[in-house]
Amino acid sequence: GAVVSQHPSRVICKSGTSVKIECRSLDFQATTMFWYRQFPKKSLMLMATSNEGSKATYEQGVEKDKFLINHASLTLSTLTVTSAHPEDSSFYICSAESGTRLGYEQYFGPGTRLTVT
Amino acid sequence: TQLLEQSPQFLSIQEGENLTVYCNSSSVFSSLQWYRQEPGEGPVLLVTVVTGGEVKKLKRLTFQFGDARKDSSLHITAAQPGDTGLYLCAGDTGTASKLTFGTGTRLQVTL
Repeated sequence: GAVVSQHPSRVICKSGTSVKIECRSLDFQATTMFWYRQFPKKSLMLMATSNEGSKATYEQGVEKDKFLINHASLTLSTLTVTSAHPEDSSFYICSAESGTRLGYEQYFGPGTRLTVT
Repeated sequence: TQLLEQSPQFLSIQEGENLTVYCNSSSVFSSLQWYRQEPGEGPVLLVTVVTGGEVKKLKRLTFQFGDARKDSSLHITAAQPGDTGLYLCAGDTGTASKLTFGTGTRLQVTL
């Protein structure tokens, strides 16, 4: 159980275009999903918290107009990188929160590697 | 800002050796999780510890949560090449359900 998928796994786009990344919880419902960014050989950096049916909460320094998040259902959150630039190239990972007897645990998707040329 | 410092940052050992990875903070966490991540993939949850002083074992991996719930350790016995990866600790303060990730420890186990 607790499987999270991401699509696409890799995407290459031209500078100035927009890219949408999907994050789905396959076997559970997730009121809350999270979007992270990871630079090479570094840890995960939280970008925003995605809440079903309400606006996302962005971390300090993350541009909400550039990284659009939509969490329209309990199993799907999307991250759209608008007007992408080469510096947006990165590994983007989502996670979905699932309640357990230990509290809430996050289960991660396999990540999406974005390359902006 | 809560910070979770992991040490060492990088560890290269031979198969069969033992190792310990540390995760330290000045903040108290209601729970702490350990993940392992392989290149090009998302982190995979290994364990969650919630009680101060708690010890959990997962085959050759032993996880300990500090008594004050500010630190944790991961000990691997008789490391194998399959243990190679990035190990991340992540703390949950209990509010807003956000995880604070540690700086990461990159482990390489060679034959």
